Amino acid sequence: EIVLTQSPGTLSLSPGERATLSCRASQSVSSSYLAWYQQKPGQAPRLLIYGASSRATGIPDRFSGSGSGTDFTLTISRLEPEDFAVYYCQQYGSSAWTFGQGTKVEIK
Amino acid sequence: EVQLVQSGAEVKKPGESLKISCKGSGYSFTSYWIGWVRQMPGKGLEWMGIIYPGDSDTRYSPSFQGQVTISADKSISTAYLQWSSLKASDTAMYYCARRGSSDYATWFDPWGQGTLVTVSS
Repeated sequence: EIVLTQSPGTLSLSPGERATLSCRASQSVSSSYLAWYQQKPGQAPRLLIYGASSRATGIPDRFSGSGSGTDFTLTISRLEPEDFAVYYCQQYGSSAWTFGQGTKVEIK
Repeated sequence: EVQLVQSGAEVKKPGESLKISCKGSGYSFTSYWIGWVRQMPGKGLEWMGIIYPGDSDTRYSPSFQGQVTISADKSISTAYLQWSSLKASDTAMYYCARRGSSDYATWFDPWGQGTLVTVSS
């Protein structure tokens, strides 16, 4: 099973700042199979990025994904008040899916 | 609009059985895999398993194999997650989510609103 490790666990930033979230895999992941989700309290997760770098429908362009192999990054260029949430990376491999443990982006 | 609508919250006692549902609409239900994801209180997301309603092909995470059963009734566009004997540790929010239609489309979108299962004596 591929383990995804997200860092940091919590990111304390102010609106307008740039957020950089990391997702590291225990073994190489196909970029096609790496996705990012946002989850706000009391809500279901929402797809942000698929294929490591493609934005899902309706996702603002301040969200971007990059990376390959074992290291992937989600960047929020300028945090808006509605972006404070928990973010998860997810991968698919060997007929199984795994999620990272999440990064909480909180208001500083 | 593509939508997944899940059944309502449940409160059960240990040892009881339960079946929760996820109804798809706005798309061809038999052409997309439906996955189930657990979120324990205050914790992260865990993939449980996935089913292809077209032929009921089902895959389970090793962590959940034998603990739950995933099924689907394509005649009513509904997928199910069931337990035969609940434990207190099954207390969690459970989400269904649709996988993309092609082999490389391994992301989940959209998600159901979640079903909260509480198991307590």
